[in-house]
Amino acid sequence: LAKTTQPISMDSYEGQEVNITCSHNNIATNDYITWYQQFPSQGPRFIIQGYKTKVTNEVASLFIPADRKSSTLSLPRVSLSDTAVYYCLVGGVYNQGGKLIFGQGTELSVKP
Amino acid sequence: DAGVIQSPRHEVTEMGQEVTLRCKPISGHNSLFWYRQTMMRGLELLIYFNNNVPIDDSGMPEDRFSAKMPNASFSTLKIQPSEPRDSAVYFCASSLVVPSSANVLTFGAGSRLTVL
Repeated sequence: LAKTTQPISMDSYEGQEVNITCSHNNIATNDYITWYQQFPSQGPRFIIQGYKTKVTNEVASLFIPADRKSSTLSLPRVSLSDTAVYYCLVGGVYNQGGKLIFGQGTELSVKP
Repeated sequence: DAGVIQSPRHEVTEMGQEVTLRCKPISGHNSLFWYRQTMMRGLELLIYFNNNVPIDDSGMPEDRFSAKMPNASFSTLKIQPSEPRDSAVYFCASSLVVPSSANVLTFGAGSRLTVL
C-alpha cells in the first residue's frame, strides 16, 4: 500500500490560493490519487481525483508530476468555508474495494 | 439518491452493553467500508466488503467487534461488550468499483458513539 505524507496544518487568508502537497513515493502503476475534504462533524467528501498531469474541476485543481511521487491540491481563492481537513489517498483501478487508508490529513485554517 | 445512511446518529451507552451500528449504502454500489475516527488515531479502516463479502477485517481492533453485510443494501457493525475506549465516530462509506475506474468513496454522516 502506498503511504502518503502531508503537512499536518496550514494557514491561509481569504482570497489566497492554497496548495497542499502530498508525498507518495511508493505509488504503484495502477494507483490513482484522490483528495477528500472533511468538515467537523461530517464524513469526508470527495474533491478531485487524477492519475497524471493536471485535473481541474469546479472546486480545485490537482497537479501530478511525471514521476507521480507527489501531488498538489490547489484551491483557488479560498474562503472561510474552506477551513477543513484535507486528505490525500492513493489507490488502484481494479481495486475492487481494496484497502483505502487515510493518513493524518492537512488541517487548513482560512482566516479573514 | 439519499446517499449513505447511517443509524443511529448518536448513541450513549454504558460499558458492557452491546452496540449495533447500521449502514445503508448507495443503491448500486458494490463496496462498503467501515471507518472509525478519533482525535488520537484519526480515520482508521476497520473492515471492507466487496459484493457483500468481507475482504479484509485486519483493522477490526478486537474480537468484540464484528461486521456483517447480509445483502447489498445493509450492513451492521456490532460491538459486544462495549468499552469506554470504543468511544468514537464510526463512518460507513460505499463505492462503485468497475473496471477502468478508480475508487471514490461516499461517506455517511457517521454514528457518534459514547461509552460511559
